[in-house]
Amino acid sequence: QSVLTQPPSASGTPGQRVTISCSGSSSNIGSNAVNWYQQLPGTAPKLLIYTNNQRPSGVPDRFSGSKSGTSASLAISGLQSEDEADYYCAAWDDSLNGWVFGGGTKLTVL
Amino acid sequence: QVQLVQSGAEVKKPGASVKVSCKASGYTLTSYGISWVRQAPGQGLEWMGWISAYNGNTNYAQKLQGRVTMTTDTSTSTAYMELRSLRSDDTAVYYCAREYPMTVVGHHAFDIWGQGTMVTVSS
Repeated sequence: QSVLTQPPSASGTPGQRVTISCSGSSSNIGSNAVNWYQQLPGTAPKLLIYTNNQRPSGVPDRFSGSKSGTSASLAISGLQSEDEADYYCAAWDDSLNGWVFGGGTKLTVL
Repeated sequence: QVQLVQSGAEVKKPGASVKVSCKASGYTLTSYGISWVRQAPGQGLEWMGWISAYNGNTNYAQKLQGRVTMTTDTSTSTAYMELRSLRSDDTAVYYCAREYPMTVVGHHAFDIWGQGTMVTVSS
């Protein structure tokens, strides 16, 4: 059971916009920044969004993040086949004194 | 370029220990911390702990306290993660990741990841 809660799956057709939610608590998302990671099949995770809504260099602006209270969201617009991957949210947890992850959301591009 | 290169796959028997290495290149290891994250087959990511490559300070996940040790060798720019008393549920891909201060206020993220090391625990 992951500390952060994500839907196990999401899907969309090419060109669509999809959102993935991440729910936490006051000790993690409620008081700390959220990062998002993309894991393509058979590869290591890659940083996609940091500090709630910032994109590292090289990440397309089709990817955006937001945070409100104890929840966060990742939005992907103009969905492409290469976006098919697992997506994980992460935040520091003050009570556990460590990083916590969501269980991951498998995105399927139909 | 900045990269982390990990050691190869391991097969261990229950009760044994495993030590995974993570060699940094393209940056100075002592400038940033290294976290270890594992992923059991078909499962999500689990943070195992962190080590400051600068002074060796560590912070381990509560569930692994007493079984895990993280170290660094600055002379070879290599970080190590040793896990003892292995059980079948320790079977996973183990990743090292650089923990980088992404903003001036110190928000951190794992910006560089190793390629992963598969550790299989089986009798």
